[in-house]
Amino acid sequence: DVKVTQSSRYLVKRTGEKVFLECVQDMDHENMFWYRQDPGLGLRLIYFSYDVKMKEKGDIPEGYSVSREKKERFSLILESASTNQTSMYLCASSPMFGSRYQPQHFGDGTRLSIL
Amino acid sequence: AQSVTQLDSHVSVSEGTPVLLRCNYSSSYSPSLFWYVQHPNKGLQLLLKYTSAATLVKGINGFEAEFKKSETSFHLTKPSAHMSDAAEYFCALNGAGSYQLTFGKGTKLSVIP
Repeated sequence: DVKVTQSSRYLVKRTGEKVFLECVQDMDHENMFWYRQDPGLGLRLIYFSYDVKMKEKGDIPEGYSVSREKKERFSLILESASTNQTSMYLCASSPMFGSRYQPQHFGDGTRLSIL
Repeated sequence: AQSVTQLDSHVSVSEGTPVLLRCNYSSSYSPSLFWYVQHPNKGLQLLLKYTSAATLVKGINGFEAEFKKSETSFHLTKPSAHMSDAAEYFCALNGAGSYQLTFGKGTKLSVIP
């Protein structure tokens, strides 16, 4: 089974801090994704990456950046955390081959609170 | 542009009765469609997927979905609800041949004992 591991389940940070959320997958998938999930808004894509050092903006990239130095690891960075970034963050991965027909596999999420 | 509409934000059923969660989609391309389930404080788990083979797709835990192109629908059903089915369900679409999925806003399923 594919395993996508997010480093923290719960995280509390202060306004203005630089925050790192880490995600690791063990299935050699090329594609990795970061979403945020808010009640009533569903899942919104922040960034995705289809290869090492490659990244593409999603629907809501403002205030975020990402890093993919190794194939298995995809990091989400909040450059200067703000209270409106309090949310559930979900990481996902999928293979490149036949990507249109492949599901994305999700981690358990990080619930981030910015005080 | 592609979109997914989940027609009910909340569905409530009694244990042992059928479940119907509705999903309509819009896509310019022949779509791949997915249903995911999310239990509280967990990630999304894949229930089933449609990828242009059989139109009736069977998934895990007794769920199935039928792809109806004429109605642009992909509704999720289960003959008999179990308490453990209480969760939030998301319909997702890949219609443009890209890496990305477009998600519906979710349907919260409550199961009454």
